[in-house]
Amino acid sequence: EIVLTQSPATLSLSPGERATLSCRASQSVSSYLAWYQQKPGQAPRLLIYDASNRATGIPARFSGSGSGTDFTLTISSLEPEDFAVYYCQQRNNWPITFGQGTRLEI
Amino acid sequence: EVQLVESGGGLVRRGGSLRLSCSASGFSFSGYAMHWVRQAPGRGLEHVSAISSDSGNKYYADSVTGRFTISRDNSKSMLYLQMSALRAEDTALYFCVKGPWPGPTHNYFDYWGQGSLVTVSS
Repeated sequence: EIVLTQSPATLSLSPGERATLSCRASQSVSSYLAWYQQKPGQAPRLLIYDASNRATGIPARFSGSGSGTDFTLTISSLEPEDFAVYYCQQRNNWPITFGQGTRLEI
Repeated sequence: EVQLVESGGGLVRRGGSLRLSCSASGFSFSGYAMHWVRQAPGRGLEHVSAISSDSGNKYYADSVTGRFTISRDNSKSMLYLQMSALRAEDTALYFCVKGPWPGPTHNYFDYWGQGSLVTVSS
C-alpha cells in the first residue's frame, strides 16, 4: 500500500498569507494525486485532482503541483474560510489511500 | 445539483450487523462508480469499498474484507453497505462518495454525502 505523508501536521498562518502544504508518497503515484478540504462537521470537498487540475467551482487561489512522489498544494492568499484540514489522496495504486491531513489554523 | 444522502447508521453491539443506504440524485447514477469512505472520530479518511457502475467489480479494504458487502440498485439510484461482525474499530462516520467515471479502481472523489454515523459498542 502506498503511504502518503503530509507536512506539516499543523500550519499556523494569517489571512492574506500564502500557504504551502506538502504530500509525499512512499512510491511514485505519477500525477494521480488529489487534494480535499474538510471543515468541522462537513464532508470533504474535492479541490484538486490529478495533481494540478482545479475541481469545479474551486477558486483560482488554490493550485496544485508535483509528480512522482512529491506534491504541493498552494493557497496564494488565505481567506478566512480556508482555515480547515486538508487531505491528499492517491489513485495510482489499489488500495486508494489518503494522507493523515494538515490542519491549517489561524 | 448532485446530492448523496446516507441513512441507516446507529448504535450496534460488537458482532452485530447494520446496513447503510445512500440515496443519489442530480446525476446519472448508473454511469458512475460509487464508494464508501469512513472517518473515525477525530481521525483521517479511510477508503472502505468501491463498486463499478454496473456492479461487475467490487473492492474492499483489507480491514473489512469478508465482513462488509457493497451493492447498488441503479433502478433506484441507491448504494448500500451491508456490515456484519462489527468491531469497535468500525466506529466511524461513513461517507457515500461518487467517482468520476464507471470504473472503481483509480478514482478520485468528486462528490460526498454528509455521512452516517456508526457506533459499535463493546
